[in-house]
Amino acid sequence: AQSVAQPEDQVNVAEGNPLTVKCTYSVSGNPYLFWYVQYPNRGLQFLLKYITGDNLVKGSYGFEAEFNKSQTSFHLKKPSALVSDSALYFCAVRDIGDYKLSFGAGTTVTVRA
Amino acid sequence: DADVTQTPRNRITKTGKRIMLECSQTKGHDRMYWYRQDPGLGLRLIYYSFDVKDINKGEISDGYSVSRQAQAKFSLSLESAIPNQTALYFCATSDFTESQETQYFGPGTRLLVL
Repeated sequence: AQSVAQPEDQVNVAEGNPLTVKCTYSVSGNPYLFWYVQYPNRGLQFLLKYITGDNLVKGSYGFEAEFNKSQTSFHLKKPSALVSDSALYFCAVRDIGDYKLSFGAGTTVTVRA
Repeated sequence: DADVTQTPRNRITKTGKRIMLECSQTKGHDRMYWYRQDPGLGLRLIYYSFDVKDINKGEISDGYSVSRQAQAKFSLSLESAIPNQTALYFCATSDFTESQETQYFGPGTRLLVL
């Protein structure tokens, strides 16, 4: 079985401050990990993914995520948040060899000017 | 993602009505998926199709059916809509030749069942 937890329903930060959105996962094998973003009235947009290799993954719009196997975490980060980063963020995991992608409940990010 | 389109974008219907949501893709992917999104629950898989002749139930398929008319088209039907099917519905595609199979999503259909 596989699952994802996003422990924070909401994250609020000031523009220019660092942004972190937390994600922990559970899989029986090795994970593929993904971050998606959903802007208001839009579909999910792919941000970045971890497959193997470097634990720090860089993605779109200046976002990056750090894979930590010992803590089973894949936190999304941005060094300096923008008001336009305000959106709903989803973490997802897939066990290697499985077709199914499991999503977290989502974290709403609000960046205030 | 403009490569995955969904129609309609918004739909209001009444309890008991049959409705169909359509999904088309130009990405050339073999695999297609239907999800529903409910606040606080993330996305849950309704049905998935690995090719035109391979259709499978997901975790919440009751009350839904699908049709894969072609590689590029995957439709979701609610045979007799009920209010708890009010949700945001997403279609997605993936390429099985890509080892990590990133899924790419359409813009969604917002469905309200009265």
